[in-house]
Amino acid sequence: EIVMTQSPDTLSVSPGERATLSCRASQSVSSKLAWYQQKPGQAPRLLIYAASTRATGIPARFSGSGSGTEFTLTINTLQSEDFAVYYCQQYNNWPRTFGQGTKLEIK
Amino acid sequence: EVQVVESGGGLVQPGGSLRLSCVASGFTFSSSWMSWVRQAPGKGLEWVANINQDGSGKYYVDSVQGRFTLSRDNAKNSFCLQMDSLRDEDTAVYYCARTYWGDYGDYWGQGTLVTVSS
Repeated sequence: EIVMTQSPDTLSVSPGERATLSCRASQSVSSKLAWYQQKPGQAPRLLIYAASTRATGIPARFSGSGSGTEFTLTINTLQSEDFAVYYCQQYNNWPRTFGQGTKLEIK
Repeated sequence: EVQVVESGGGLVQPGGSLRLSCVASGFTFSSSWMSWVRQAPGKGLEWVANINQDGSGKYYVDSVQGRFTLSRDNAKNSFCLQMDSLRDEDTAVYYCARTYWGDYGDYWGQGTLVTVSS
């Protein structure tokens, strides 16, 4: 099973600033990585797939990068609605596995 | 408009059974992989199982293999997760999701809570 590790666990950033979230895979997943946003009491929302492709309707301030074992989600000019928990997920191998999540909180 | 709606959650004793259902609309269900993903209270996400378009391919995470069974009915745009021999650690919100070729979830339901407790 591929283990996904996200860092940091919690990130405190002020609105209007940039947030950078990291995700590391225990072995290469090529570019088969997705990012999700989850708010309390809600289902996950797909943000990014194929490491860097924005899903339908996702604002351009969200961007993904990386390949192999190291990935980054960048959120530019943070809006109030962006404060949430973010998960990465690999789909190179079965079982599909998620990172433990990064909580993005208001500084 | 895409809609994915789960049902069937509830309280069950350890060793018991429960059947979760998911009904979808707004996309071509018969051409879509579907999946269940769960989230224990206060915890992260765990991918549970995948089923391919015609139901001939089913994949389960090791922790539920042999206890959970997927099925689908394309005529009714629905698919189900039969959960047997339930354990305390199966307590979670179970999300139904359409997944792109079983890879990542692009449409999600709001989840149904399963509580395994005596």
